[in-house]
Amino acid sequence: GAGVSQSPRYKVAKRGQDVALRCDPISGHVSLFWYQQALGQGPEFLTYFQNEAQLDKSGLPSDRFFAERPEGSVSTLKIQRTQQEDSAVYLCASSRLASGSQADEQYFGPGTRLTVT
Amino acid sequence: EDQVTQSPEALRLQEGESSSLNCSYTVSGLRGLFWYRQDPGKGPEFLFTLYSAGEEKEKERLKATLTKKESFLHITAPKPEDSATYLCAVRVGGFQKLVFGTGTRLLVSP
Repeated sequence: GAGVSQSPRYKVAKRGQDVALRCDPISGHVSLFWYQQALGQGPEFLTYFQNEAQLDKSGLPSDRFFAERPEGSVSTLKIQRTQQEDSAVYLCASSRLASGSQADEQYFGPGTRLTVT
Repeated sequence: EDQVTQSPEALRLQEGESSSLNCSYTVSGLRGLFWYRQDPGKGPEFLFTLYSAGEEKEKERLKATLTKKESFLHITAPKPEDSATYLCAVRVGGFQKLVFGTGTRLLVSP
């Protein structure tokens, strides 16, 4: 079956521009996560959705970062007024179960590589 | 603060040369430890979940084990196609948030 897809795969933005990154999770998956991965580092948690509810946004680095999942499926991560330090790979993951359930594997998309010049 | 430390940072093996990767963790209430494999330009690919000390899981040439403070990923007779970055992560808190280590870059030469 289809996995998690993300678009675009690559995005180059000039400093100060706004960007929107899309994630299509596995159909029927309740939980959706966004992570940021800098070069040579492990992914770092940004935010978590259970269906359409954003239950944890503790990892968002600033108020320039905003995420939504209005219908409980597709999610968009928006970064306003991009800065050079925003350059990274942005990973989306989905899992079948909801929060509080037993630990459930997360399936990752290929990521969007954002370069801010 | 929840922390995951992986060692070594990089490992170079000859084909057939078995070894182990280490993941040590400090968390307030472990609710699952995960191993992922990541190839260049791709997202992490799920390998194993371990829940309690003493648990072991195997898949082909890989075997993951868990103690109260660390996990090991044992690679038996590796092949060049096992070359990748191996990431360890722990689930913390009530939600499914994962805290990752920085990974071990494995290169297996023919």
